[in-house]
Amino acid sequence: RKEVEQDPGPFNVPEGATVAFNCTYSNSASQSFFWYRQDCRKEPKLLMSVYSSGNEDGRFTAQLNRASQYISLLIRDSKLSDSATYLCVVIVNTGFQKLVFGTGTRLLVSP
Amino acid sequence: DAGVIQSPRHEVTEMGQEVTLRCKPISGHDYLFWYRQTMMRGLELLIYFNNNVPIDDSGMPEDRFSAKMPNASFSTLKIQPSEPRDSAVYFCASSLRANYGYTFGSGTRLTVV
Repeated sequence: RKEVEQDPGPFNVPEGATVAFNCTYSNSASQSFFWYRQDCRKEPKLLMSVYSSGNEDGRFTAQLNRASQYISLLIRDSKLSDSATYLCVVIVNTGFQKLVFGTGTRLLVSP
Repeated sequence: DAGVIQSPRHEVTEMGQEVTLRCKPISGHDYLFWYRQTMMRGLELLIYFNNNVPIDDSGMPEDRFSAKMPNASFSTLKIQPSEPRDSAVYFCASSLRANYGYTFGSGTRLTVV
């Protein structure tokens, strides 16, 4: 089983729609989680951290469900500029802490 | 700050040739990471350094791959000999910590024909 799994999509939504992505992780001991955004042919960039209590940054809301071992990203009022691939990231401790990336969920927002 | 700088941006080489990818991390960042990205496998960590010392190289695919960090401002990833299955985008990232705030370079798109 992969350490981090995501639905590759694509998710096709119209402007203004609300869209949500989930990501599951296999290591129950994982402590920290992030969402990164990657535009086509660009490098990944940190979008937001995911806190246990859930957190919001403008139109973006991240939540963590430890019992079911998944994290989610909700995007409200989606914009054309939100079109990108969203990477779920989990910190894995194998003696050394390191970030493990999911393969990403592609979002396409259309006019 | 100029960010993480990688070179070259694109590399096309023939199978069997040696390829060297270069990375200059952000000044002051103690951690440097090399990732490889493909459509099938996503972003895979190859190796990372802390204070120029390799810490975890469990992701290096095989002996054909080697990485060095001779000083705090420079790292190389070498593939010798290269094979078509090495074709991918190779990203370098640096960070103040191992578990947060990675800044990625623009990547090197490698094509081995």
